Amino acid sequence: DVKVTQSSRYLVKRTGEKVFLECVQDMDHENMFWYRQDPGLGLRLIYFSYDVKMKEKGDIPEGYSVSREKKERFSLILESASTNQTSMYLCASSPYRGQEYYNEQFFGPGTRLTVL
Amino acid sequence: AQKVTQAQTEISVVEKEDVTLDCVYETRDTTYYLFWYKQPPSGELVFLIRRNSFDEQNEISGRYSWNFQKSTSSFNFTITASQVVDSAVYFCALSDYYGGSQGNLIFGKGTKLSVKP
Repeated sequence: DVKVTQSSRYLVKRTGEKVFLECVQDMDHENMFWYRQDPGLGLRLIYFSYDVKMKEKGDIPEGYSVSREKKERFSLILESASTNQTSMYLCASSPYRGQEYYNEQFFGPGTRLTVL
Repeated sequence: AQKVTQAQTEISVVEKEDVTLDCVYETRDTTYYLFWYKQPPSGELVFLIRRNSFDEQNEISGRYSWNFQKSTSSFNFTITASQVVDSAVYFCALSDYYGGSQGNLIFGKGTKLSVKP
């Protein structure tokens, strides 16, 4: 089974702190994604990566950055956490099998981040 | 622009009732994929089904069935004889086919289903 793990289920940080959220997948997937989930807004894409050291902005990248130094690991970084970044953060991965076939994304359990 | 609308924010049913979750999508692509995911209280999204735009056949998997109609841009999900374990938030999602974006998903806002015993 595909396994996507996230470093923490719950995290509490203070405003202005630098925050790292880690995601690891064990199925050699090329694509990895970071979403945030907020009540009434659904899932919104922050950043994604389709290869090592590659990254693309999603719909709401402001205030975030990412790092993908190894294929299996995709990190989300909050450079200076703010209270409006309190949210559930979900990581996902998917394989890439060519443009003629799209694969489902597999999700991790999520990290609920609270910024005080 | 692509968009997914799940008009039902919350639905509450009694166990053994049938329930249909609606999903309406917008896309200018002629080829695309549609998905349903389940998010139980534990938080992890679980993939349920993928459907490509070429295949309009309805699909049944146990108590779950999906009705895809291109003419109305809808991809509805029905749970027959609902159970308490079906209580979750359900998301419909859309992706374009030729992903220069590598297959990003556009999610609806979700429908929270509560099944009461």
